[in-house]
Amino acid sequence: AQKITQTQPGMFVQEKEAVTLDCTYDTSDQSYGLFWYKQPSSGEMIFLIYQGSYDEQNATEGRYSLNFQKARKSANLVISASQLGDSAMYFCAMREGGSGANNLFFGTGTRLTVIP
Amino acid sequence: KAGVTQTPRYLIKTRGQQVTLSCSPISGHRSVSWYQQTPGQGLQFLFEYFSETQRNKGNFPGRFSGRQFSNSRSEMNVSTLELGDSALYLCASSLIGGNTEAFFGQGTRLTVV
Repeated sequence: AQKITQTQPGMFVQEKEAVTLDCTYDTSDQSYGLFWYKQPSSGEMIFLIYQGSYDEQNATEGRYSLNFQKARKSANLVISASQLGDSAMYFCAMREGGSGANNLFFGTGTRLTVIP
Repeated sequence: KAGVTQTPRYLIKTRGQQVTLSCSPISGHRSVSWYQQTPGQGLQFLFEYFSETQRNKGNFPGRFSGRQFSNSRSEMNVSTLELGDSALYLCASSLIGGNTEAFFGQGTRLTVV
């Protein structure tokens, strides 16, 4: 089974509008971390936001917020007031804490296009 | 504070050759992980090093190897290159690993011809 599922291959959003990128995950660990990264065409992976499984509050970083619904195993990224520079690939990732392994499992990504 | 630095940014190699990629993590970070990104397979974990020891390994053949030095800098090596090794290789740096933030470098784009 896929550990991270991103069901939206592509999304369009009007400039200045908000957009939600979906992410669901699958783990039996109690301790895990969820990450969102942005990858522009240049290739670098830019860290956006992190949510720990024990964090009770949803993580926020500027215009980015993570809508964490533990029971549904979803960790959706919300980008408010979209800007043209937000056009990029967005990856959701998970790190499982129980096994001691440190690797990230990535989803297939969502390509976001911001329309002027 | 300097970010994660990967060198070189671009490489073109011939089948059968070997290649070494370098990653300098954020100062103070002791965990370095490597990932391969291809259009067909997406992002796949190669291995992770912590305090000069390989702590975890993904499902890649033995042609892929790595090491970490005492200053936490890491190198990965691919021997006997195949066309399918053409990919973006990304390095991620974490303080200690576990549920802490992971920051990536700009990647090394390897083309095998």
